[in-house]
Amino acid sequence: QKEVEQNSGPLSVPEGAIASLNCTYSDRGSQSFFWYRQYSGKSPELIMSIYSNGDKEDGRFTAQLNKASQYVSLLIRDSQPSDSATYLCAGYTGRRALTFGSGTRLQVQP
Amino acid sequence: GAVVSQHPSRVICKSGTSVKIECRSLDFQATTMFWYRQFPKQSLMLMATSNEGSKATYEQGVEKDKFLINHASLTLSTLTVTSAHPEDSSFYICSARVQGRAGELFFGEGSRLTVL
Repeated sequence: QKEVEQNSGPLSVPEGAIASLNCTYSDRGSQSFFWYRQYSGKSPELIMSIYSNGDKEDGRFTAQLNKASQYVSLLIRDSQPSDSATYLCAGYTGRRALTFGSGTRLQVQP
Repeated sequence: GAVVSQHPSRVICKSGTSVKIECRSLDFQATTMFWYRQFPKQSLMLMATSNEGSKATYEQGVEKDKFLINHASLTLSTLTVTSAHPEDSSFYICSARVQGRAGELFFGEGSRLTVL
């Protein structure tokens, strides 16, 4: 079982819709989780971090963490074509280094 | 704040040569830096953890004699790919944590290595 798992997609949503990206993790002791956005050919860019159960909102982005179910999600409201990218979920899964999921490719259709 | 700069962004070299990639933290000190590698359409795989003033810690399966890491100062880590071969062609990305930012990693721009 991978330490951090994501559906590879692509996830296609129309412009203006809500995009929902999901991630599960295997280490129940994990405390910190992060969502990164990566455009093709570029390095990852941090979007959100979340450390406690519940929701955390920042502009159009909302991260959700459910430690009992071991999943993390990212909601993008009012999706824009510029949001089209690969979204990487990452967590400290019992190691000192950050472990990344395989990423979900999001396509926002104009 | 938290800017990580990586150089060069692209490098093409002949098989058998060595290539050095530099990673600098511009506005903070980084006692630890991380080197990742990413093949096309795959996720980031951690290669090694670079520790200032001490030896790097390599992940299982990563050859330490092939991927030499030096972290000589609090703002600079270098990765040298020695005797590069075409299968080493990849996107190499360094990252660093900022003290007090609860584990957030900030990435350099990445270096795309092509070995002919």
